[in-house]
Amino acid sequence: EDKVVQSPLSLVVHEGDTVTLNCSYEVTNFRSLLWYKQEKKAPTFLFMLTSSGIEKKSGRLSSILDKKELFSILNITATQTGDSAIYLCAPGSGGSYIPTFGRGTSLIVHP
Amino acid sequence: DGGITQSPKYLFRKEGQNVTLSCEQNLNHDAMYWYRQDPGQGLRLIYYSQIVNDFQKGDIAEGYSVSREKKESFPLTVTSAQKNPTAFYLCASSGWGQPYNEQFFGPGTRLTVL
Repeated sequence: EDKVVQSPLSLVVHEGDTVTLNCSYEVTNFRSLLWYKQEKKAPTFLFMLTSSGIEKKSGRLSSILDKKELFSILNITATQTGDSAIYLCAPGSGGSYIPTFGRGTSLIVHP
Repeated sequence: DGGITQSPKYLFRKEGQNVTLSCEQNLNHDAMYWYRQDPGQGLRLIYYSQIVNDFQKGDIAEGYSVSREKKESFPLTVTSAQKNPTAFYLCASSGWGQPYNEQFFGPGTRLTVL
C-alpha cells in the first residue's frame, strides 16, 4: 500500500522566518512528486519533481527530491502572512498515474 | 478561461437523501477525479475516470457513485449509504497517459448533512 508522511503536521512561525516542510513516501513504481498549496479551497500547484538532487525554485519557495532516501523537502524563506496555508505532498506512481496525497502541513505565519 | 467548476459551493442534505455534486471542465483533459477532504486530513480518492464511459473506484468509494457520459463532466452522487458524508469534496482533472500529471482542482463543494 502506498504511504505518504508529511511533517510537521502543523507549524506556527513569524514573518521573516524560514521553514522546511518534509515529505517521505513509499509508492510502487515512483514517477514524480507534486507539491500543492491549499489556502481555503482548491489546492494550487507549486512544483513537480522527477529527478533527484535538482532543486526547483519559485521566488521564496524551493523544493528538492531524494529518490534514494524517498523524501522531498519544501523550503520557504522570509515567510509572509500570505504563505499561511496547508501544503500537500503527492507522489505519483507510474502504474496508475494517480497521486497519493499526504495529510498536509498546516503553516501559520504571524505578522 | 479554461478551468474546472463545481456546484454548488455549499450543500445541505437531510439524512437519507441522495445528492449530486456537479463538476465540469473545459481543459480538454481526459482524466477526472473526485476527492474527499476532512478536517486535518489529506485528500482521499473516491473515484476517477480516465476516459468517457469508464471509471474506477478509489480508496473510499463505498456510498458514492459517478458517471462519465461526457468528457467535460464527472458528477458525483453521495448516496444515503454513505455513513458520514459531511466533508469538503474536490474535483480535479489532468491529462492521462503521461508519467508527470499535474492535477487542476475545482473550488470544491462543502456538503453538510443535517
